[in-house]
Amino acid sequence: AQSVTQPDIHITVSEGASLELRCNYSYGATPYLFWYVQSPGQGLQLLLKYFSGDTLVQGIKGFEAEFKRSQSSFNLRKPSVHWSDAAEYFCAVVYNAGGTSYGKLTFGQGTILTVHP
Amino acid sequence: GAVVSQHPSRVICKSGTSVKIECRSLDFQATTMFWYRQFPKQSLMLMATSNEGSKATYEQGVEKDKFLINHASLTLSTLTVTSAHPEDSSFYICSAGRVGGSKTQYFGPGTRLLVL
Repeated sequence: AQSVTQPDIHITVSEGASLELRCNYSYGATPYLFWYVQSPGQGLQLLLKYFSGDTLVQGIKGFEAEFKRSQSSFNLRKPSVHWSDAAEYFCAVVYNAGGTSYGKLTFGQGTILTVHP
Repeated sequence: GAVVSQHPSRVICKSGTSVKIECRSLDFQATTMFWYRQFPKQSLMLMATSNEGSKATYEQGVEKDKFLINHASLTLSTLTVTSAHPEDSSFYICSAGRVGGSKTQYFGPGTRLLVL
C-alpha cells in the first residue's frame, strides 16, 4: 500500500536558521507530491507541488522542495526561517491519478515546526 | 484564487442530533470534493470522495449511513453527521479539485465538531 513517512514529528529551529523537513514515500509510478502547511485550528494551505519536470520546485513563502526518485524523497527546505513559519507541515502523495482523476491524497504524519526567537 | 470555505467553523451539539457541514468552492467549480477527518495531533484521514451529481465513494470503515454526503452542485458539498455521538467529535476538513484542474486539492478551513 502506498505510504508517506515524515520521520521527524517535531523540529525546533532558531529564527533565521535554515530548515529541512524530510519526506519519504513508498515506491510507485508517477507520484504527484505535495507539501501543505497547517496552522493550529486551520485548514491546509498548499506550499508547493511536483508533478514532473524540474526536480527542484519553488513554492510560496520562500519554500522549495527537491524530488529525488532514487531516494524516494521529497524534502522541504527554506534557507531562513521566520517566526511566522511555526506550524505543522504535511507531505502528501497521489498515485495513479490518470487522466482527469484526482486520485487520493495520502498524508504523512506531519512535522510540527517550532521557531525560537 | 482557489478558495474553499466551510460553514460552520465550529459547532456544539447534543448527542443524538444531526449536524450539517457545508463546503463551498468560492471562485472555481469543483467536480470532485473530498471529506477528511483529523483527530488531535494526527494526520488527515480521508472519509469519502464526492463527485458532483453522483454518489459519494466512502473509505473502508466509514459508515455511509452515518456520514451522509451530498454534492449537488459544482460549488457545494455537504457532510451530515447523523445521530451524532461524542466519539464523532473531531475536526472535519473538506477539499476541492477544480474542473479540468491539475490534481491539486484546495482545502477549506475546517469545522470543529463537539458532541456533548
